[in-house]
Amino acid sequence: DSGVTQTPKHLITATGQRVTLRCSPRSGDLSVYWYQQSLDQGLQFLIQYYNGEERAKGNILERFSAQQFPDLHSELNLSSLELGDSALYFCASRYRGQGDYTFGSGTRLTVV
Amino acid sequence: GDSVTQMEGPVTLSEEAFLTINCTYTATGYPSLFWYVQYPGEGLQLLLKATKADDKGSNKGFEATYRKETTSFHLEKGSVQVSDSAVYFCALSDLRGSSNTGKLIFGQGTTLQVKP
Repeated sequence: DSGVTQTPKHLITATGQRVTLRCSPRSGDLSVYWYQQSLDQGLQFLIQYYNGEERAKGNILERFSAQQFPDLHSELNLSSLELGDSALYFCASRYRGQGDYTFGSGTRLTVV
Repeated sequence: GDSVTQMEGPVTLSEEAFLTINCTYTATGYPSLFWYVQYPGEGLQLLLKATKADDKGSNKGFEATYRKETTSFHLEKGSVQVSDSAVYFCALSDLRGSSNTGKLIFGQGTTLQVKP
């Protein structure tokens, strides 16, 4: 157990639907990063939050959004899902801007 | 922008063989460099890291040296085991500079298969 909890582990949904992925960071970590891992794109950075505020955006589609709550957990919302959104979504946490990144075990999203 | 390039896999070795996975990077600033490992069905685990030039990261028999002159961070192990079969990712994180976000930028990953 890395200390970063992601739920659910698996998600199967239909095209056009909306899902929410949840990430609870390691205790004390203020930064949360979201990554998408797909076969053709590899590991892509999506978005970072630090203590509730968006800090950086990467290759995140407009159909995707995220937020970090006062208790520091984060949610990634994916809407109008397409087949190409099928991927493994990881979150990682970090204390402030220092220290090691700790990854969760990921949420595998399958869009059918 | 910053980027990481890894040798393409898969790499197939016999047990006790020597392993090298090449990694080169392009970055402005002074990145920290990492190797992560992903076992089947699992998340990413930090294998080793180096934060400045000439540093050597090591863990579980794996080593990598931060070479600024060649912008490389090659992963090596003297004698691989079947249990080392996994996907290995090289990554960088730029911790300095006004544009720093601290995000990790990954290479494409290299699959290692070790046969008994």
